Amino acid sequence: GAVVSQHPSWVICKSGTSVKIECRSLDFQATTMFWYRQFPKQSLMLMATSNEGSKATYEQGVEKDKFLINHASLTLSTLTVTSAHPEDSSFYICSAPTSGADVGEQYFGPGTRLTVT
Amino acid sequence: GQNIDQPTEMTATEGAIVQINCTYQTSGFNGLFWYQQHAGEAPTFLSYNVLDGLEEKGRFSSFLSRSKGYSYLLLKELQMKDSASYLCAVMDSNYQLIWGAGTKLIIKP
Repeated sequence: GAVVSQHPSWVICKSGTSVKIECRSLDFQATTMFWYRQFPKQSLMLMATSNEGSKATYEQGVEKDKFLINHASLTLSTLTVTSAHPEDSSFYICSAPTSGADVGEQYFGPGTRLTVT
Repeated sequence: GQNIDQPTEMTATEGAIVQINCTYQTSGFNGLFWYQQHAGEAPTFLSYNVLDGLEEKGRFSSFLSRSKGYSYLLLKELQMKDSASYLCAVMDSNYQLIWGAGTKLIIKP
């Protein structure tokens, strides 16, 4: 089946620094990727939709200047958390649909756990 | 390797009960999640099990047996709005989520 990978899986950074998280579709092309954030025992919260070759679409309340998204190729989207603060500590997950819009065809990455100290 | 298995699709009747099974093999275990996802929307958290047993939350219940690597999601008094995909995910020892492919539940009147 389709595979989505994320790198790194776990990162610890100091407050004020920036962290880049990569999301790759390994065996299919994804013109669209989704970035989610999940706090402990809570729902995945959609942050933004990443579109290859164009600007990302951010959900209400998500700061686009803080969470920079780049979808430079059909297999790679990156999320950069700029000037990270402890409240940004969370689990970040990406997903990508293969072909079509059926939810069942959407594949999730394993997640990246970010801890900001 | 690590894997999560759940049925691809299930069909049930409005008002009935349905049980969606999930079996897993992972490197360590830090909890099992069930999510509901309607087409075009973000997944919604349903339950989290880390200890063996049954957790009941309204019409939805989730069961876990760690020794068997098995969980199920039980939906009672099915409503048409319950038609969705149900995702099972396990957090492994590295706190990474291993996702099942999802079970598409179709509710018929």
